This record gives sequence, C-alpha cells and structure tokens, in this order.
Amino acid sequence: AQSVAQPEDQVNVAEGNPLTVKCTYSVSGNPYLFWYVQYPNRGLQFLLKYITGDNLVKGSYGFEAEFNKSQTSFHLKKPSALVSDSALYFCAVGASGTYKSIFGTGTRLKVLA
Amino acid sequence: DAGITQSPRHKVTETGTPVTLRCHQTENHRYMYWYRQDPGHGLRLIHYSYGVKDTDKGEVSDGYSVSRSKTEDFLLTLESATSSQTSVYFCATLTGPFGETQYFGPGTRLLVL
Repeated sequence: AQSVAQPEDQVNVAEGNPLTVKCTYSVSGNPYLFWYVQYPNRGLQFLLKYITGDNLVKGSYGFEAEFNKSQTSFHLKKPSALVSDSALYFCAVGASGTYKSIFGTGTRLKVLA
Repeated sequence: DAGITQSPRHKVTETGTPVTLRCHQTENHRYMYWYRQDPGHGLRLIHYSYGVKDTDKGEVSDGYSVSRSKTEDFLLTLESATSSQTSVYFCATLTGPFGETQYFGPGTRLLVL
C-alpha cells in the first residue's frame, strides 16, 4: 500500500531565506513522486516530479526536490523564498502501473516579507 | 489547467437533493479522477475512470456515483446530498510519458445546507 506524510501543517520562512517542505513516503516498488502547489481558490498545479534518473529534480518557479531512497523522502526546496511562494503544497506518491496517486495532507507555506 | 473545466464552479444545495458535477477535458486523456479536498485530509480520491464506461471506486466513494459516456466528460453524482459532502471537488486527468502526472481542473465548491 502507498502512503505519504507531510509532517508539518505550516512552514514559515522569511523572504530571501531558503525553504524546505518535508515529505516522506511508503510504496512497494519504485515510486513516482510529485509536488503540487495550490494558490487560493485555484486547482492544484504540477510543480515537479521524480520518476527515474537523477535524484535532484528541478521544477517550476525555482523549486527543486531531492529523492532520497534510503530515507524514503522527497523534500521540496528553494534557495531563496519569495512572498509569492506562499501557498499550499502537496506531496503525492504513485507507482508504475497503478495510475493513481496518494496525496499528503498538505503544508501551508507562509513567506514573510 | 490543461484543458479541464468543471461546472458548476459553486453550488449551494439542501440536504437530500441530488447533485451532479461535471468535468470536461479537451485533451483526449484516457484516465479521469474525482477528488474531494477537506482541511486536514488533503485530497482524497472518490472515483476514477480508465475509459468510456470504465470506472472504479476510490477511498471515499460512499454516497457518490460516476458516469463516463464520452471520453471528454466525467460526471460525479451525489445521489442524496448530506452536510458531510460539503467540500471542494476537483477533477483531474492523467498524462506524461509513463501516464503518471495528474493535471487538475479549477474545482467546484459545494455547500450542502
């Protein structure tokens, strides 16, 4: 069975500082891992994914995430946060052939000016 | 939103009435999904479809039914709405080289009084 955990309901960071939003997962076999962002009153937007290959994945808006197989983690990072990055972030996990993803409960990122 | 529209975008209804939400996609994607989003629960899968007339249950399917008579349309019906079905409903489709990435519609906000 697949599962995903986002241990922090909210992350606060000052503008210009690096940010990290945490995600851990459990899946049988090789995971597909995703980050999505949701701005107020909008649907989820795809940010980045790990399917195979390089463990460091780069995505939209300067975000990146690192796949760590030994720690079963896929943390989202950005070197320098912007106020406009404030949003709700979801991690999701899937697996080859399942055609479904399990979503975490979301982490609200607040970037303070 | 990857060619996905949802209608209506907002709806207020009364307990016990039937409600149908519509998802329409223009990309000819095979897989379509209905999720509900609630605080503290993230996104939970209600039903999904893997082709015309082919559907299956997700983790929170009780009280919901779906139909897909055309590739482009996926309908979600609440047979007799209850207050616990007050939520934001998102439709999604599946794309990507491995059929792994979901793209979401803008959502329907449903209030059951």
